[in-house]
Amino acid sequence: AQSVTQLDSQVPVFEEAPVELRCNYSSSVSVYLFWYVQYPNQGLQLLLKYLSGSTLVKGINGFEAEFNKSQTSFHLRKPSVHISDTAEYFCAVSTLIQGAQKLVFGQGTRLTINP
Amino acid sequence: EPEVTQTPSHQVTQMGQEVILRCVPISNHLYFYWYRQILGQKVEFLVSFYNNEISEKSEIFDDQFSVERPDGSNFTLKIRSTKLEDSAMYFCASREGSSTPPQFFGPGTRLTVL
Repeated sequence: AQSVTQLDSQVPVFEEAPVELRCNYSSSVSVYLFWYVQYPNQGLQLLLKYLSGSTLVKGINGFEAEFNKSQTSFHLRKPSVHISDTAEYFCAVSTLIQGAQKLVFGQGTRLTINP
Repeated sequence: EPEVTQTPSHQVTQMGQEVILRCVPISNHLYFYWYRQILGQKVEFLVSFYNNEISEKSEIFDDQFSVERPDGSNFTLKIRSTKLEDSAMYFCASREGSSTPPQFFGPGTRLTVL
């Protein structure tokens, strides 16, 4: 079984500051990794994904994440945040095994950008 | 850009009543999912559906739940006799194929059971 831990439930940051949202996962098999963003009163939007290849992946809105297999981590970063980045961010994994490939989510990190 | 749609956006029902939540997945997608998010908690997998049958379900998905693809476009989740603890946001998601992992989510249906 897979599990995902997002170490910070809330992260307050000033506008234009850098931010890192941490995600660690546990799995006995290889996984795909994802970050989703949920803006207030909206659904889940795919931010970025790691499937294979380069461990540094770039997503929408200037976000990037780095897959670290030895540390089983997939931290999300942005060098300079904007007020509009205020949202809940979810890290998720699914297995590479053919079939359902259900997503297992972390608890979410609420990112609040202060002016 | 194609997207997953869900109706209604908000459903209020009395305990014990049946509800049907509707989803229209992206048209060329083959895998369909329901997830739920109880207020303040993580998003949880309920069920996946492929080739007109359930491919995987969680322990949450008991006999009170069922899914159906009644036609070529809709995907529904039915809760036969709602309980207070069924109150949650329900998300539908779809995925194109076995080698295309990202799931695309709908905006959700907020179910409130009174």
